[in-house]
Amino acid sequence: GENVEQHPSTLSVQEGDSAVIKCTYSDSASNYFPWYKQELGKRPQLIIDIRSNVGEKKDQRIAVTLNKTAKHFSLHITETQPEDSAVYFCAANRSFQKLVFGTGTRLLVSP
Amino acid sequence: GAVVSQHPSWVICKSGTSVKIECRSLDFQATTMFWYRQFPKQSLMLMATSNEGSKATYEQGVEKDKFLINHASLTLSTLTVTSAHPEDSSFYICSATGQMNTEAFFGQGTRLTVV
Repeated sequence: GENVEQHPSTLSVQEGDSAVIKCTYSDSASNYFPWYKQELGKRPQLIIDIRSNVGEKKDQRIAVTLNKTAKHFSLHITETQPEDSAVYFCAANRSFQKLVFGTGTRLLVSP
Repeated sequence: GAVVSQHPSWVICKSGTSVKIECRSLDFQATTMFWYRQFPKQSLMLMATSNEGSKATYEQGVEKDKFLINHASLTLSTLTVTSAHPEDSSFYICSATGQMNTEAFFGQGTRLTVV
């Protein structure tokens, strides 16, 4: 089955800086790679996703890149704001349904 | 996006009792629902997959007799934690998807505390 590793586990940045979170996956058949933001005690919220036929996707300050050969994908947040502080999870699998999650990255953006 | 509602949001129960958690899709027909468990400061771990009208498929290491899942309709799945113990205390989250969806939608989660 799929196995997803994520790092760093914690990331502290100053407001306005960029933040990068990286994930690797094991199953070369995986073709769906979402990123979720989870605030304490709340549900995960999909912030961006990418499918294997695309190498990069951007939505305002958030971008995701995918390297299928190396089996890794990354989340990039530019111009970080305090409200970006949360735990971010990557996930992977062959469909958007049965997701395997990474271990999470706690992002702290200091004003 | 579609709305998935979980109930209750939190529950405290005594050891040995059973607790039922509901997951409802409010504005779409959920052909498949997923149940996850999340311990503090850890990731979401898939427990089981349920398809409407059929038996749930449990992940390795998850006791199907302890975590009873019922998906009797296209809008409701339930997870019953039977004979709960303190180690079952966790955040339980469901997600749901339907035939017309391109993503899975999460419920708000249920925090279970067993005392």
